[in-house]
Amino acid sequence: RKEVEQDPGPFNVPEGATVAFNCTYSNSASQSFFWYRQDCRKEPKLLMSVYSSGNEDGRFTAQLNRASQYISLLIRDSKLSDSATYLCVVWGGQNFVFGPGTRLSVLP
Amino acid sequence: SAVISQKPSRDICQRGTSLTIQCQVDSQVTMMFWYRQQPGQSLTLIATANQGSEATYESGFVIDKFPISRPNLTFSTLTVSNMSPEDSSIYLCSVDGTSGSSAGELFFGEGSRLTVL
Repeated sequence: RKEVEQDPGPFNVPEGATVAFNCTYSNSASQSFFWYRQDCRKEPKLLMSVYSSGNEDGRFTAQLNRASQYISLLIRDSKLSDSATYLCVVWGGQNFVFGPGTRLSVLP
Repeated sequence: SAVISQKPSRDICQRGTSLTIQCQVDSQVTMMFWYRQQPGQSLTLIATANQGSEATYESGFVIDKFPISRPNLTFSTLTVSNMSPEDSSIYLCSVDGTSGSSAGELFFGEGSRLTVL
């Protein structure tokens, strides 16, 4: 089983839609969790950290379920500019482990 | 935040040759990481570059193939040795933000896109 798993997609959604991504991790000792965004042919950039209590940043909401070892990202009111690959990243205490990423295409 | 400069940004190389990628950070950082991202795949950690000691390699990566230098706290190099077409990939330098709001965040260079013929 891979350390971090994601549905690779692609998710093709119309503008204005709400879309949710899921991520599961295998290391129960994992300490920190993140969502990164990677545009085509660009480097990954931090979208948001994921806190135990859940956190929101504008149209983006991240949630963590430690018992189920599950992380989610919800994007509301999708914009064309949200089209990218979303990477779930887990810090296990020694290094960052990247999920395979979920590709999102927001269509006009 | 950290600003990371990587070069070359891209290169096309012949099989059997070696290429050295440079990574310069605008501030002193303790940990520098080298990742590989193969076409259509996610990032895989190659090694952690340690200042003053040998790099720490992940399973599947060895020093003879990917020698790393870390002469100071702002600079590192990764060499891809005796290249084959399977080494065609994007190589990314990364640092861990260590202070303030960027603590725990990974910052990446723009990557070096390598094509081996």
